[in-house]
Amino acid sequence: DAGITQSPRHKVTETGTPVTLRCHQTENHRYMYWYRQDPGHGLRLIHYSYGVKDTDKGEVSDGYSVSRSKTEDFLLTLESATSSQTSVYFCAISKRDISEAFFGQGTRLTVV
Amino acid sequence: GQQLNQSPQSMFIQEGEDVSMNCTSSSIFNTWLWYKQDPGEGPVLLIALYKAGELTSNGRLTAQFGITRKDSFLNISASIPSDVGIYFCAGSKQGETSGSRLTFGEGTQLTVNP
Repeated sequence: DAGITQSPRHKVTETGTPVTLRCHQTENHRYMYWYRQDPGHGLRLIHYSYGVKDTDKGEVSDGYSVSRSKTEDFLLTLESATSSQTSVYFCAISKRDISEAFFGQGTRLTVV
Repeated sequence: GQQLNQSPQSMFIQEGEDVSMNCTSSSIFNTWLWYKQDPGEGPVLLIALYKAGELTSNGRLTAQFGITRKDSFLNISASIPSDVGIYFCAGSKQGETSGSRLTFGEGTQLTVNP
C-alpha cells in the first residue's frame, strides 16, 4: 500500500446523519482523490484535490463535500447521508498530472 | 459522463491458459492504466501506458496503448490461480490541475480453475 490510510474501514450510519471519511497519506503527493465503487458502475470520481485548499468536483459530487487543510489529509463529508450513498469509498493519490494513481484499501459505508 | 467499455465482463479459464481483455472509448485519453483488485482491497496498479502504440510488459502481463488513443488491451500469459480477481482499465486526460482524474471501465472478473 502506497502509504495511504483510510479511516474508518467500515461504518454503518443512519439516513440523515453526517459522515466524514478520512484519507491520510505519507507520500507527500500533490493530488488526492475520492472515488466510489458500486456494482455495475466501476469506480467513479467524487472529488479531487490538486493542492492544499484546492479542490474540484468529479463525476458524482452531489451530496458530498471535501476539505484539504494539509497535504497529507483529504476528508470526504456526507452532510446528510442517504441510502444511495451506501458504497465502498476509495481514496487515491498521485504525484503529478498524468501520473499513476495509487489507491487505499477502501471504506465500506452502509446507510440504513 | 464518459465511459470506458471493457470486455469481457467475466472469464472462466483453466490454469496455464492465456487471457486477453480490452477497453474502448469514444474519446481520446493520454494515459491508459490497468489495475487489479482483490476482494476487500483497493485496486493495485499493474501497468501504465503513456504513448499511442506503446507496448509494455510486466512479467506475464502485456498491455498496449491503442494507436487511436481510444483503446487498450491487456494480455496475461500462462495464467495461475493467483491471477484471480477483477481487472480494471482506466483512462486519464492530461491537465495541470486535474491530475490523474481517471475514468474506469466496469471491470473483467477473472476466474482461474486449477
